[in-house]
Amino acid sequence: QKEVEQNSGPLSVPEGAIASLNCTYSDRGSQSFFWYRQYSGKSPELIMSIYSNGDKEDGRFTAQLNKASQYVSLLIRDSQPSDSATYLCAVKASSGDKLTFGTGTRLAVRP
Amino acid sequence: GAVVSQHPSRVICKSGTSVKIECRSLDFQATTMFWYRQFPKQSLMLMATSNEGSKATYEQGVEKDKFLINHASLTLSTLTVTSAHPEDSSFYICSASGDGTEAFFGQGTRLTVV
Repeated sequence: QKEVEQNSGPLSVPEGAIASLNCTYSDRGSQSFFWYRQYSGKSPELIMSIYSNGDKEDGRFTAQLNKASQYVSLLIRDSQPSDSATYLCAVKASSGDKLTFGTGTRLAVRP
Repeated sequence: GAVVSQHPSRVICKSGTSVKIECRSLDFQATTMFWYRQFPKQSLMLMATSNEGSKATYEQGVEKDKFLINHASLTLSTLTVTSAHPEDSSFYICSASGDGTEAFFGQGTRLTVV
């Protein structure tokens, strides 16, 4: 079982729709969760971090965490073509600073 | 977010030569820096973790004598790919963490070994 799992996609949504990206993780003791956006040929850019159960909103982005289900998601409202990228879920191990990344979900927003 | 600068952004070198990549945290002190490698259409693979003033911790399967990491100060870490070969061609990315929570990425270095 992979430590951090994401559907590779592509996830295709029309412009203006809500894009929902999901991630599950195996280490039940994980405490910190991150979503990064990576455009093709570029390095990842931090979008959201979430540390406690529930929702965290920042602009058009909402991160949701459910530690009991070992599940973290990212919602993008009013999706724009510029949101088209690969979204990486990252989980910090319960001990140490190392981030474990999922393989990423490719999002395509259709104009 | 914090700024991490990585240099060079792109390098082409001949097989058998060595290449040094620098990673600097510009506006914070990075107690921990991470080096990743990413092949096309694949996820980030952690190569090693470095803490200032101590030896780097390498992930399984990563040759420490081939990928030399130095983290001499709280703002600078370097990765040297020694005796590079075409199979080392990849996108190398560093990230830095100051307070142990969020990690910020450099711009990445695309290495091509010919």
